[in-house]
Amino acid sequence: QSALTQPASVSGSPGQSITISCTGTINDVGRYNYVSWFQQHPGQAPKLMISDVTSRPSGVSDRFSGSKSGNTASLTISGLQAEDEADYFCSSYTRSTSWVFGGGTKVTVL
Amino acid sequence: QVQLVQSGAEVKKPGASVKVSCKASGYTFTGRNIHWVRQAPGQGLEWMGWINPTTGGTNYAQKFQDWVTMTYDTSINTVYMELNRLRSDDTAIYSCVRDSGNYGMDVWGQGTTVTVSS
Repeated sequence: QSALTQPASVSGSPGQSITISCTGTINDVGRYNYVSWFQQHPGQAPKLMISDVTSRPSGVSDRFSGSKSGNTASLTISGLQAEDEADYFCSSYTRSTSWVFGGGTKVTVL
Repeated sequence: QVQLVQSGAEVKKPGASVKVSCKASGYTFTGRNIHWVRQAPGQGLEWMGWINPTTGGTNYAQKFQDWVTMTYDTSINTVYMELNRLRSDDTAIYSCVRDSGNYGMDVWGQGTTVTVSS
């Protein structure tokens, strides 16, 4: 069981928006703005999509956005495209100077 | 571009040790910590710890403190993760990940599969 809770799967049609949640505790997601989101296609290394809750690294599409409310962070993908079909997982720095991860969410483009 | 390239798959017997390497390129090697993360089959990602390739300082997750050792060699821009007294439940994909410089991680290695089986 992962420290951060994510839905196992989320799906949407091309052009739609979807949101993936990542729920932690007051000792990680709720305490720090150090939540990251990664995208992983089969057989590839994970790619950083969002850091520090809302920051997009250079080269990442502005269709990806992050937010946080209380102990839950969220990743929203707008204008869903076929290439967005992948696994997504979150991570957070914690009060015990360690890092925790979510179990991952499989995004399916219908 | 920034890259982390890991060593190949390993098969080990219970009780043995494994040492996985992670070679960095495309940035100043001593400028960022390197984390190690693992994922066992059907399980979530698990943070193991990090090493500072400048000072050699380490921060191991409490679970791994007595049986993991992280080292580095600046002459070849490589960090190593050695796990001792392997058990079957150590079968996993082990990945090195560069620290982002701000309490996060950014670039991942391709992962190394370690299989522990008698």
